[in-house]
Formats: sequence, C-alpha cells, structure tokens
Amino acid sequence: NAGVTQTPKFQVLKTGQSMTLQCAQDMNHNSMYWYRQDPGMGLRLIYYSASEGTTDKGEVPNGYNVSRLNKREFSLRLESAAPSQTSVYFCASREAGLYRGIQYFGAGTRLSVL
Amino acid sequence: AQSVTQPDIHITVSEGASLELRCNYSYGATPYLFWYVQSPGQGLQLLLKYFSGDTLVQGIKGFEAEFKRSQSSFNLRKPSVHWSDAAEYFCAVGAGNQGGKLIFGQGTELSVKP
Repeated sequence: NAGVTQTPKFQVLKTGQSMTLQCAQDMNHNSMYWYRQDPGMGLRLIYYSASEGTTDKGEVPNGYNVSRLNKREFSLRLESAAPSQTSVYFCASREAGLYRGIQYFGAGTRLSVL
Repeated sequence: AQSVTQPDIHITVSEGASLELRCNYSYGATPYLFWYVQSPGQGLQLLLKYFSGDTLVQGIKGFEAEFKRSQSSFNLRKPSVHWSDAAEYFCAVGAGNQGGKLIFGQGTELSVKP
C-alpha cells in the first residue's frame, strides 16, 4: 500500500533550470492536487486535477505547469526555476464523495533554487 | 473569504500534560474540518475529521477535537502528551471550490519536554 508517491525527495536547482516533480497514487482516486508549503503560511494550492484529463489553477499557479498523464499520475513542472520557488512541494489525492473526501499526502519534495 | 487561523505558532508542553491546539475558521457554509500532523521530514497524516453529526470527534493517537459553530472553532485536544507527539499540526477546512481543495492554517509546532 504505497498511497501517494513523490519523486524526487530532494532537489537543488540553479535559477533558470527546469525540472518536473512526479506524483503517482495507487488508490484509484479521481482528484489530485499540488501544494507548496512555506514557513508560517501552511500549504497553498498550486494546481489541481478534478479528474483524468482536466487540470485547473489554484491559488499560486504562476511559474508552474501540470500534466495529468493518466488517472494515477500528476506531474508538476517548473520551466524556469526562481529562488521564490524554493519550498516543500506536496502532492495529494482525494477519495470520492464530492468535497467530503479525505486528502492523502505524499512525503514531499524539498526543492532549493539557488 | 475562507480562512483558517491557528493563533499559536509554537507550543511547548511537558510529557504527560494535557494539550489543546486552537483553530478558528471562516467559512460561509457548513465546514468540513480536518486536523493533520506532520512529523519532521514527513508528509501530512490525517488525525481526524469533522463532516457532520456529533461535534466531538475522535481521531488516531488519542486525539480528539470539538467543533463549536458559535465560536467558529475546531480545537484539538489530547489528555496526556507523549514525546512522540512532537510535530507540526495543521488545521484545515475543505473548500467548496477549486476541486475541493484544503485551506490550511499556518500550523502549530509542538515541542514536548521530558
């Protein structure tokens, strides 16, 4: 029972480099989310995918793109990394039941942009 | 606007003492409320949730929380804290938009003295 798996766990980038954060869930959930966690700010939604084939912006989408590759996988891409994107990134998936569903989180990706 | 406030950034309690972590929310409709715990370097684990019904909800690891609509609060409690409870705790409300995202408080870091 892996749940939500994120790769990589750690990454250091230089300003302007690109990278893709990978996320996969094995719980057959329809909805998936990307959050970023910054000190004193809790978690904020970057993008979400309500179902396979759909993606939408969250609160802080600038500088990011996403792809819902299939029902299991939801990736987050930084095209040109900036120091302001230094953060911890969490992927989550939500069980069915409209907005009552519990969200399950991965272990996170700790990203530093120099 | 929907929001969650955790007034205490950091709390220190002695092992065996009781604990109460405060959470206040602002939400127009009936809220779906959650408490998550994050151990150092780990992802978020659900402690408990409130959807409807009994306002006192029980969770894992001996935690409970009470929903008080009149005070817009959902405080987390534990009668006797263990050293392993040291972690960061997040209160969240399930939003009615953006795919059912979670709106998080800023988090409360709990330290436990031996």
